[in-house]
Amino acid sequence: QVQLQESGPGLVKPSETLFITCTISGGSIGTYYWSWIRQPAGKGLEWIGRFYAGGSTSYNPSLKSRVTMSADKSKNQFFLKMSSVTAADTAVYYCAREAGAGQQQLLYWGQGTLATVSS
Amino acid sequence: DIVITQSPLSLSVTPGEPASISCTSSQSLLHSDGYNYLDWYLQKPGQPPQLLIYLGSNRASGVPDRFSGSGSGTHFTLKISRVEADDVGIYYCMQPLQTWKFGQGTKVEIK
Repeated sequence: QVQLQESGPGLVKPSETLFITCTISGGSIGTYYWSWIRQPAGKGLEWIGRFYAGGSTSYNPSLKSRVTMSADKSKNQFFLKMSSVTAADTAVYYCAREAGAGQQQLLYWGQGTLATVSS
Repeated sequence: DIVITQSPLSLSVTPGEPASISCTSSQSLLHSDGYNYLDWYLQKPGQPPQLLIYLGSNRASGVPDRFSGSGSGTHFTLKISRVEADDVGIYYCMQPLQTWKFGQGTKVEIK
């Protein structure tokens, strides 16, 4: 069974860089598309971007200038890096995997990790 | 940008009664491949979202058949034929056609 687990620093200072890891178990990172989604407390879901370990990425234009997604295939992990964070970036960050074989629906989700931006 | 609008934003339903949520897109989600790129997710309290319906009308594995999705182009509907207590949560539609966008969410509670 595929399982995703996010991990991050918890607290980040304004203007610094947020780095979150998604560790994958029960499947290989190499043959699927992976997404990051975030959710501020009490609010809706925002798609951050989509990543394929072969090198293809697609980012939400509203965040594109500050976001980078990458992966370490040897560790079966993929990463979200978000620079110049502000309080507006405080949210639960989820990683998710698509169903595969050209199907984009997000079938597997991690439990999420809370990132708080505060001095 | 495609704008996704859900209605209603909240719904209170008696167990055993049906429920319906609407999702409207500012642009057609019908792709040239014939599929409607509109998915439905349910986020139960304290949990990550879970996939219910994909490509407009296909139930995800393990989803009870009381859930159904319909619609095409710009108008879509999620129907629950008989609401159960376990169905409480926030329902989101999402389009993965252009910049992926979720609807605002519809909070479903039990009367």
